[in-house]
Amino acid sequence: DTAVSQTPKYLVTQMGNDKSIKCEQNLGHDTMYWYKQDSKKFLKIMFSYNNKELIINETVPNRFSPKSPDKAHLNLHINSLELGDSAVYFCASSLGQGPYFNEQFFGPGTRLTVL
Amino acid sequence: DAKTTQPNSMESNEEEPVHLPCNHSTISGTDYIHWYRQLPSQGPEYVIHGLTSNVNNRMASLAIAEDRKSSTLILHRATLRDAAVYYCILRDVADSWGKLQFGAGTQVVVTP
Repeated sequence: DTAVSQTPKYLVTQMGNDKSIKCEQNLGHDTMYWYKQDSKKFLKIMFSYNNKELIINETVPNRFSPKSPDKAHLNLHINSLELGDSAVYFCASSLGQGPYFNEQFFGPGTRLTVL
Repeated sequence: DAKTTQPNSMESNEEEPVHLPCNHSTISGTDYIHWYRQLPSQGPEYVIHGLTSNVNNRMASLAIAEDRKSSTLILHRATLRDAAVYYCILRDVADSWGKLQFGAGTQVVVTP
């Protein structure tokens, strides 16, 4: 039983293309996140959604557009891909937003390589 | 957000305890101390959290200094599967946005 799943696991594409990464959680959580882990292994929050509403947008270029069709899904669409977008993207979910809903569950990651 | 300082790496023998230190000298009274770990080629996973008192769960123990300026994650008997990067993260109780601020973490190496 996969709690947080992402597709695809690997994504190789050319500069300038548009691509999407999908995320689904079957935990019944209200809050979902996207994190980016760059080549230096630093993990940074990109977006957070609570009940399908955007609550965090961490100064991410507007080429990145998250979409939450329902509480169980948070997809990430990236337009006009650049070399610097190459990274591992992690989706996560939690029961709620605050530190009382403490545990975030992460997906396995999507490794994006832009050539 | 208050910052944390961790050693870059630590090495341990299998089946021995591992004590991972974390300094957070600028911690505020409303900051929770969280630990996550990231196994190779996987997403991070929650380990433990605490506020003031020491905490135990099936994965680890968290010892929090009386002044809360430091804490130690204790893995009681390291296994090869515990080889991972361990992150110490502070989260303010007033923070309703839920974001985790990851640092560089400590790379734990477990040798058989």
